[in-house]
Amino acid sequence: QVQVVQSGAELKKPGASVKVSCTASGYSFTNYYIHWVRQAPGQGLEWMAIIDPTGAVTKSAQKFQGRITMTSNTFTNTVYMELSSLTPADTAVYFCVREVPHTRYFDSWGQGNLVTVSS
Amino acid sequence: QSALTQPASVSGSPGQSITISCTGTSSDVGAFNHVSWYQHHPGKAPKLMIYDVSSRPSGVSYRFSGSKSGNTASLTIYGLQAEDEANYYCSSYTTRYTYVFGSGTKVTVL
Repeated sequence: QVQVVQSGAELKKPGASVKVSCTASGYSFTNYYIHWVRQAPGQGLEWMAIIDPTGAVTKSAQKFQGRITMTSNTFTNTVYMELSSLTPADTAVYFCVREVPHTRYFDSWGQGNLVTVSS
Repeated sequence: QSALTQPASVSGSPGQSITISCTGTSSDVGAFNHVSWYQHHPGKAPKLMIYDVSSRPSGVSYRFSGSKSGNTASLTIYGLQAEDEANYYCSSYTTRYTYVFGSGTKVTVL
């Protein structure tokens, strides 16, 4: 059974960084891309970035460039997304999402984890 | 990249059909046939309903249908059921090798 399991909720102060993880099981980890999508309270979905777990490709939306870092560990089937210089506007549920390479759609979503940025 | 434009809300009675539009530009919706639709019940993970404009994944009801004309894609739900009440988002690949979501539509079953 395909599963994408994310790390737990986080509470961070403005200016800090957060590192969230996404562990895959039930499929060949390196054969799928992973995206990060977030949803702020009362808002819609927002695409953030993509990573090829082999590390060959990463790309992010322009608004996150310079403060988002994605890494992967193929031994633990885990992808990490670190977002720095947090502000309250980064308060959101962050979803880890799977894509079959080059299909351009998201076929499996993690449960999401809430990141709250507050002083 | 601005969000694709969707109506904030659409409603219908059980058994009726509704259509949700998703308007983008020639750099996203109009550029590729890579438009997908997601159903999102709050507190749960979104679910893929339509991909590549009009294809349905295995397990998704035939009542869901997608189409596209120019820079506007559409999702039609036929025979509306209570379980269809949710938020729906379109998504498109873009010419900048990124992705963009729609603003979201709340579907209410009256």
